[in-house]
Amino acid sequence: GDSVIQMQGQVTLSENDFLFINCTYSTTGYPTLFWYVQYSGEGPQLLLQVTTANNKGSSRGFEATYDKGTTSFHLQKTSVQEIDSAVYYCAMSNYAQGLTFGLGTRVSVFP
Amino acid sequence: ETAVFQTPNYHVTQVGNEVSFNCKQTLGHDTMYWYKQDSKKLLKIMFSYNNKQLIVNETVPRRFSPQSSDKAHLNLRIKSVEPEDSAVYLCASSLGTGVYEQYFGPGTRLTVL
Repeated sequence: GDSVIQMQGQVTLSENDFLFINCTYSTTGYPTLFWYVQYSGEGPQLLLQVTTANNKGSSRGFEATYDKGTTSFHLQKTSVQEIDSAVYYCAMSNYAQGLTFGLGTRVSVFP
Repeated sequence: ETAVFQTPNYHVTQVGNEVSFNCKQTLGHDTMYWYKQDSKKLLKIMFSYNNKQLIVNETVPRRFSPQSSDKAHLNLRIKSVEPEDSAVYLCASSLGTGVYEQYFGPGTRLTVL
């Protein structure tokens, strides 16, 4: 079945540090890949969508890259701020099945 | 601005009781979903509902059932709750299936004593 593996459970950074989160996926179909962010007390919201046709996406200073050869996709931000503290999920969509989420990475940024 | 509404915010109940959670979206979307988020923040799809077609995650126990009156509403009923049902239940909607962004509600936190 479909799966998404997100290894980093927790990342602690200082402001202006570099953030990098990596995910790999497995599917038999043609997935669309996403990054969602969840702030405390809220539901997840879309941060970036990376389709297999385009290898990159960017939003709010975050950039997502996708490598079809290794079936991996990454999220990065050059200089994080305290407001970026949240849980970040990689996710994969395969038609009507809903989203398959990674385990989530809790990012804590300290001033 | 919130466009996916969930009620209640919290619910505490005892083992064996029946509970029902409501979800409404005002985005005009055709597809709605229920997800379960456990205490470790793991998110898992439970149901998706599109044009009266229900797709069920095979791991969902039969005591869970979605209920829809129209495409803007998708409620969740749990017939006889178990302690492992304690979680946050998140409703979401999207314009269609597959490539479309999903919009999530704030969630309903269920605690089973």
